[in-house]
Amino acid sequence: DTAVSQTPKYLVTQMGNDKSIKCEQNLGHDTMYWYKQDSKKFLKIMFSYNNKELIINETVPNRFSPKSPDKAHLNLHINSLELGDSAVYFCASSPSGTGNSPLHFGNGTRLTVT
Amino acid sequence: GDSVTQMEGPVTLSEEAFLTINCTYTATGYPSLFWYVQYPGEGLQLLLKATKADDKGSNKGFEATYRKETTSFHLEKGSVQVSDSAVYFCALSSGGSEKLVFGKGTKLTVNP
Repeated sequence: DTAVSQTPKYLVTQMGNDKSIKCEQNLGHDTMYWYKQDSKKFLKIMFSYNNKELIINETVPNRFSPKSPDKAHLNLHINSLELGDSAVYFCASSPSGTGNSPLHFGNGTRLTVT
Repeated sequence: GDSVTQMEGPVTLSEEAFLTINCTYTATGYPSLFWYVQYPGEGLQLLLKATKADDKGSNKGFEATYRKETTSFHLEKGSVQVSDSAVYFCALSSGGSEKLVFGKGTKLTVNP
């Protein structure tokens, strides 16, 4: 059983398009995240939701909009895609708490903008 | 702000060699420290963690000790295997924050 699953695995699209990436976790965790990994493997947090409420919103263009319909799902919608948005996007989840809890990551969505 | 610095890669070793990947951090308060591993085509997995000074995290033959005096959390393994080839990330969380701050990752290749 996949703990954190995200779809699609690959996404190729043209500049200016709007696309969504979906994420679901079946671990019963309260907190979910989106991370962006660039071509040099550098990972940076974008958003975090706790029980459907936004708690972390890093400096991310407002073309990126997360949506959490329930605590098991956190989707990422991207408007007006740009070349620089090409990256691997990882969804993750953790039990809410003190920050000692490990994150459980999905396998990533490789977004290529042409 | 909080930050993590880990040694630049890539690192290439022969099977059964000794591995060290250096990691140092800057943080307010007393962070929790983690090592994550990313195998090709997969997401990150927790390898080990330590939540207070002098704690040693260990898993699958890997170890790292939380050193407050040197603000370090170096990853070691006595004898690497080909299957250890992956990218290794050092990370911290501090102040009760849910946010993990990652180092830039170190790619390890182990040759038979």
